[in-house]
Amino acid sequence: DTAVSQTPKYLVTQMGNDKSIKCEQNLGHDTMYWYKQDSKKFLKIMFSYNNKELIINETVPNRFSPKSPDKAHLNLHINSLELGDSAVYFCASSPPGGSNTEAFFGQGTRLTVV
Amino acid sequence: AQSVTQLGSHVSVSEGALVLLRCNYSSSVPPYLFWYVQYPNQGLQLLLKYTTGATLVKGINGFEAEFKKSETSFHLTKPSAHMSDAAEYFCAVSDLGGSNYKLTFGKGTLLTVNP
Repeated sequence: DTAVSQTPKYLVTQMGNDKSIKCEQNLGHDTMYWYKQDSKKFLKIMFSYNNKELIINETVPNRFSPKSPDKAHLNLHINSLELGDSAVYFCASSPPGGSNTEAFFGQGTRLTVV
Repeated sequence: AQSVTQLGSHVSVSEGALVLLRCNYSSSVPPYLFWYVQYPNQGLQLLLKYTTGATLVKGINGFEAEFKKSETSFHLTKPSAHMSDAAEYFCAVSDLGGSNYKLTFGKGTLLTVNP
């Protein structure tokens, strides 16, 4: 009965490969996000989508391309993976109501690029 | 732009002792403030939030936080630490403006609880 689910949980891949992370939420929320947590646990937003429309793109390299086929799903595709992409990627969603509502986070995908 | 500063990257307390995790924010407008907890290898879970109204906010697991506008602070407290409270804690501020909502996080504070 998971609210925000991400797959896979762990991803180990070589430099130069292309990989995708999938996210689904069953909360009926309109807004979804991708956050990146680096090795020092610092969390930063990458993208947000509202009703399948890109709202925020925080100067993320073009190698990262989010896709939202419907408002319950937000996938992240990464091309030409680099060592520096190693991190934990969190998907999140939030209900309507704007910035006074909390975000609900998935369990994270630990990406390791070797 | 809003920002959050968490004083102390690591706080260690004894079981049963007071927990105090500090958070200061910078915002040009009244902020919305959040505390999240992250247990090892898990996602973030909301502890509590301040939007408007009462400045003392109670959350889950016995935690509470007080919004002090004059001090631009939103410190998290718990009267008596439990072993299960050991985790990473993040303070966050949200910007304003409808669908352009995003959370800006502090760098986190690791809480360890000693028996």
